Amino acid sequence: QVQLQQSGPGLVKPSQTLSLTCAISGDTVSSNSAAWNWIRQSPSRGLEWLGRTYYRSKWYTDYAVSLRRRISINTDTAKNQFSLQLNSVTPEDTAIYYCARALVGAFVDWGQGTLVTVSS
Amino acid sequence: DIVMTQSPVSLAVSLGERATINCKSSQSVLYNSNNKDYLAWYQQKPGQPPKLLIYWASTRESGVPDRFSGSGSETDFTLTISSLQAEDVALYYCQQYSRTPFTFGPGTKVDIK
Repeated sequence: QVQLQQSGPGLVKPSQTLSLTCAISGDTVSSNSAAWNWIRQSPSRGLEWLGRTYYRSKWYTDYAVSLRRRISINTDTAKNQFSLQLNSVTPEDTAIYYCARALVGAFVDWGQGTLVTVSS
Repeated sequence: DIVMTQSPVSLAVSLGERATINCKSSQSVLYNSNNKDYLAWYQQKPGQPPKLLIYWASTRESGVPDRFSGSGSETDFTLTISSLQAEDVALYYCQQYSRTPFTFGPGTKVDIK
């Protein structure tokens, strides 16, 4: 059974960097069949896919075009986790952030969610 | 980007009756190379993350009751709950994973009449 445990601050100041981590148990971040995603949910935007990373003999990342200049998804194979960094946040980035494991593209397993509020 | 739309926005169904949710994509999500539709359905209850119900448009995820079924192809899809139970009250989302950015529908709220 795969479990994803999210951690990170729930309050970030405008213009600063949002950082969240997703620790994986029951699978490995360097799996050749899974992809590791970040998704957020807000009343104004609904469910919004932010990006993913996956390993298929080498590492790949894909990002939502609208966030490409501000987002970074990284992996830590020693700790079996992946992380999200979103720079220069504004109140519009306030949302519940989820990490999710995808198999054949669909999101099979989800983290518990982290409400991140951008406010001074 | 592929835009996903859903109808209705909400519906109320009597216990034991059928609930039907529609989803439409702005482009086909069917891959001719493997004849699979890259379409998933999720259920979300308050305070919880979405839960995968259906993938490949009609394949039920392990452990999902067989009253949930998915159908459709290319751009038009349906999620059917054949006999609504109290625990099915939730929001339901469709999602395409045929190409990035992966996109979700706006959701359909299902309630008991």
